[in-house]
Parts: sequence; C-alpha cells; structure tokens
Amino acid sequence: GAVVSQHPSWVICKSGTSVKIECRSLDFQATTMFWYRQFPKQSLMLMATSNEGSKATYEQGVEKDKFLINHASLTLSTLTVTSAHPEDSSFYICSARGALNIQYFGAGTRLSVL
Amino acid sequence: GESVGLHLPTLSVQEGDNSIINCAYSNSASDYFIWYKQESGKGPQFIIDIRSNMDKRQGQRVTVLLNKTVKHLSLQIAATQPGDSAVYFCAENESGGSNYKLTFGKGTLLTVNP
Repeated sequence: GAVVSQHPSWVICKSGTSVKIECRSLDFQATTMFWYRQFPKQSLMLMATSNEGSKATYEQGVEKDKFLINHASLTLSTLTVTSAHPEDSSFYICSARGALNIQYFGAGTRLSVL
Repeated sequence: GESVGLHLPTLSVQEGDNSIINCAYSNSASDYFIWYKQESGKGPQFIIDIRSNMDKRQGQRVTVLLNKTVKHLSLQIAATQPGDSAVYFCAENESGGSNYKLTFGKGTLLTVNP
C-alpha cells in the first residue's frame, strides 16, 4: 500500500519549452501533496505544498509562475516547469501525505534542459 | 552524522556490522521525526518514524532513538547488508504547523562493504 507514481522518470527538453510532471497516489487519496527539488549530493528542498482543490503554497524563493502546480483530484498533482532553462535541470520529487500523515514519495523525475 | 554544507557525510561499514547514523535537528517545537532511505536515482523510502512522546522505537533491523534534550536523532541498523547502501535522511515536522511539512536533514551516505 501507499504507492506514489511519478511520471516521467526522465525527460530532456529544449530551452524555452514547458515540461509537465505527474504525481499520482495509486492506492490512497491524498489531500496534500508536496513537490521537492534535489541537486546532486544534496538534500530535498521543498518547493511547494499542493492542496486538492485550492492553490498551492510556495516556499520562499520559488517562482509560482515558473513552477505551476495543479491538484485537481485527490490522487493527482502536476508540476509544470514553464519556459525551462538549463538552470532548471534537476531531480524533481513529489510526495503524497497518507495515513498517519506519513509522506510517501514518488521515484522522482530527472529533468535535463538543453 | 549529518552536518550543514554541500559535502555529504559518509559512513562506511562492513557487512554484518551494526550501523549508527546520527542527525541533529534544530526546531525545538518539532514533535514528529522520520528516517528515509534514498537509493541512487530514486525517491526517498520511508523507514521508521517516532513521535516526541517516545525516546525509542524499533522496527525490523532498525531502531530510532530520540533525545529531545540535545535535539538528536539516530538510526541504528543491525546486521548491515549491502542492500542497505544508500543515503539516509532524517526529517522533522512540527505537527502544529500547517500542512505537515517536513524539513529534511543533509543526509548521510552509508556504504556497506562486503
């Protein structure tokens, strides 16, 4: 139980294009999902908290117009990196808050912007 | 143990030995703590959690110890196996805070030598 699926696992895109990453809770409903960014050999940095049916809450320094988050259902949240640039290349990871408020993580998406 | 900075702390052990990974947390109001394991290129995997009303909790081959006085958390892995090689993160949460956000430590790279 408590499986979180993240898709795609790896994406390469050209500079200036937009990329959408999906996060799904497969066997539970999640009113709250989280999006993180992780650089090599570093910890997870919370980007935003995604609440079903409402606007996401962004952490300080994260551009909401750059990283669009949608949480339209209890099992799906999406992160769209708009007008991606090479500095946006990173490992993006989502998590979903499950039973007992434990966060279960997806496998991550490696984004490479050329 | 974990420390601030870009260099990931490392711990190298022999297969079959016990491992102890340490974590210092900063928020005295934190009352919920989780250990996650992250293998290369994957998302974090829940290992064990503990609430502040406890000072010890045991799982299968793992034990978490919490010392609130000095704000210290440790993860003990018994009979460490090569499959335990990964980066281990502690995470803390203040349950009175909004949305159950987690703050992650810097991580410790555990290498198990056969």
